[in-house]
Amino acid sequence: DGGITQSPKYLFRKEGQNVTLSCEQNLNHDAMYWYRQDPGQGLRLIYYSQIVNDFQKGDIAEGYSVSREKKESFPLTVTSAQKNPTAFYLCASSIPLYRANTGELFFGEGSRLTVL
Amino acid sequence: GNSVTQMEGPVTLSEEAFLTINCTYTATGYPSLFWYVQYPGEGLQLLLKATKADDKGSNKGFEATYRKETTSFHLEKGSVQVSDSAVYFCALITTNAGKSTFGDGTTLTVKP
Repeated sequence: DGGITQSPKYLFRKEGQNVTLSCEQNLNHDAMYWYRQDPGQGLRLIYYSQIVNDFQKGDIAEGYSVSREKKESFPLTVTSAQKNPTAFYLCASSIPLYRANTGELFFGEGSRLTVL
Repeated sequence: GNSVTQMEGPVTLSEEAFLTINCTYTATGYPSLFWYVQYPGEGLQLLLKATKADDKGSNKGFEATYRKETTSFHLEKGSVQVSDSAVYFCALITTNAGKSTFGDGTTLTVKP
């Protein structure tokens, strides 16, 4: 079945360590996104990519990095520079609007990162 | 820029009650509007959508109508079930922005 796979589902990290969250999609979507969700709050955009080898900062990019070397993959690295990384991270993909799509997002199941 | 304002929660209802969750927006250009639902511990999934004024999106008994004159997209359901307990997000996207804008989410709890 087509979809978005995020891994790991749960991750624990010590302070000062970098960690990489995986996001893979087999929907053949050009655009991919990373969101952060904190308890009781909405979604905040970290980074997004409309096409391979290109990505843009979202609203809260500081302390995070991404790469987009393949259409199917958009990994997110949470670096030691991120002051408060404990959160639920959501990856999403979509067909870009310029392809006359409605722009709806397809989400993965999420990765919960806890810094000890 | 674009913004979405959702009715603050949490909302607690008894089973079979009528549900309304308000959503208003501001947008540059002509947005497509969405409601997403998030069940505990999961990602979001699309509940319904509307792409132009006066369109009505519907799914699983939920409905929302794209009202351009009031810049609103209120979510309604005539009779909620316990299984509808979740967080509901209103969202929009415009061609010029290229990325979605979400409301803060409204937590719905339905009691038997």
